[in-house]
Amino acid sequence: DVKVTQSSRYLVKRTGEKVFLECVQDMDHENMFWYRQDPGLGLRLIYFSYDVKMKEKGDIPEGYSVSREKKERFSLILESASTNQTSMYLCASKGSSPYEQYFGPGTRLTVT
Amino acid sequence: GIQVEQSPPDLILQEGANSTLRCNFSDSVNNLQWFHQNPWGQLINLFYIPSGTKQNGRLSATTVATERYSLLYISSSQTTDSGVYFCAVDNTNAGKSTFGDGTTLTVKP
Repeated sequence: DVKVTQSSRYLVKRTGEKVFLECVQDMDHENMFWYRQDPGLGLRLIYFSYDVKMKEKGDIPEGYSVSREKKERFSLILESASTNQTSMYLCASKGSSPYEQYFGPGTRLTVT
Repeated sequence: GIQVEQSPPDLILQEGANSTLRCNFSDSVNNLQWFHQNPWGQLINLFYIPSGTKQNGRLSATTVATERYSLLYISSSQTTDSGVYFCAVDNTNAGKSTFGDGTTLTVKP
């Protein structure tokens, strides 16, 4: 079974802090994704990566950066957390043939 | 990009009832998935179904790719079926998916 894990289920940070959210997958998938989910706005893609050290901006990259130094790990970085980044963050990885996407359990981030 | 529309947006059922959720998409797709988001927020894979029909217990799904829609059937619903059901599609294989807004299902005992 594919497993995608995220470093924290719940996280509380202060405005201005640097925040790292980590995601690890165990299926040797090439593609990994970071989404945020907010009530009424659905799932929105922040960044994705199709290979080590490669990244592509999604629909809402502002205020975020990512790092993929190893194939199994994809990190989301909030350089200076703000209250409007309070959200549910979901990581996913995607296999090839079939191109099926698997999600981690999510991280509920609160920025105060 | 591809537009995805799910219907109905909300559905309330009595335990034991059957239901059909629909996902329409605006362009041809290579990949289509159905997910169930549980009360803790995790998206659980239900079906990977870019075409054809699949069944898994009380759930089944059909995608008619030529007509650009997919249906998720839930039979003999249980309270544990409650949650949000999402359809996600893409036509680039390795690239990003487009998600529908979801159908919120509430099953009452």
